Amino acid sequence: DSGVTQTPKHLITATGQRVTLRCSPRSGDLSVYWYQQSLDQGLQFLIQYYNGEERAKGNILERFSAQQFPDLHSELNLSSLELGDSALYFCASSVGGGPHETQYFGPGTRLLVL
Amino acid sequence: AQKVTQAQTEISVVEKEDVTLDCVYETRDTTYYLFWYKQPPSGELVFLIRRNSFDEQNEISGRYSWNFQKSTSSFNFTITASQVVDSAVYFCALSEAGYNNNDMRFGAGTRLTVKP
Repeated sequence: DSGVTQTPKHLITATGQRVTLRCSPRSGDLSVYWYQQSLDQGLQFLIQYYNGEERAKGNILERFSAQQFPDLHSELNLSSLELGDSALYFCASSVGGGPHETQYFGPGTRLLVL
Repeated sequence: AQKVTQAQTEISVVEKEDVTLDCVYETRDTTYYLFWYKQPPSGELVFLIRRNSFDEQNEISGRYSWNFQKSTSSFNFTITASQVVDSAVYFCALSEAGYNNNDMRFGAGTRLTVKP
């Protein structure tokens, strides 16, 4: 158990809908990262927050947005969902925000868009 | 741009065999960080090791060992006397130094199956 929690574990929704994925980092970690894992694209970095502010952005679609709250938990919002958004979404956390930090991953949220 | 190649898509071994998972990386930075993660069938990603570009010492942790060679841009992972519980997908990842450059790139992964 990494100490990173993600809810929900599974999510089934329809195209065009909007969902929110939630992540709580390990105690003491200030940085949160979001990743998408799909069969065709592999593991892709989406976005990073450090102490409430956006630190780095990866291949995140404009339909997706995220934020980190004062208590350091983070939410990833996915809107206008398409079939291709079906994937496993991971949250990771680290103590600091630098590239040398070891990221500890949560169990993931499996999203299925029908 | 940084890139990680794990050429072995799938490997199958019999229990107690040794197995090496290859990882080759590309980067223009002189300071970078390499990682290995394990993804068992349950799905979570488990951190195994981190190595920075200035430390080429090989590392051993129980049955696991890692060979980092900057000359060949490789960071290979060996499991000695493999066990069924080692069955998982293993990912190599690269992170480059530099502010605002926290895009950790993962390889495609190698699926290891250890048969009893």
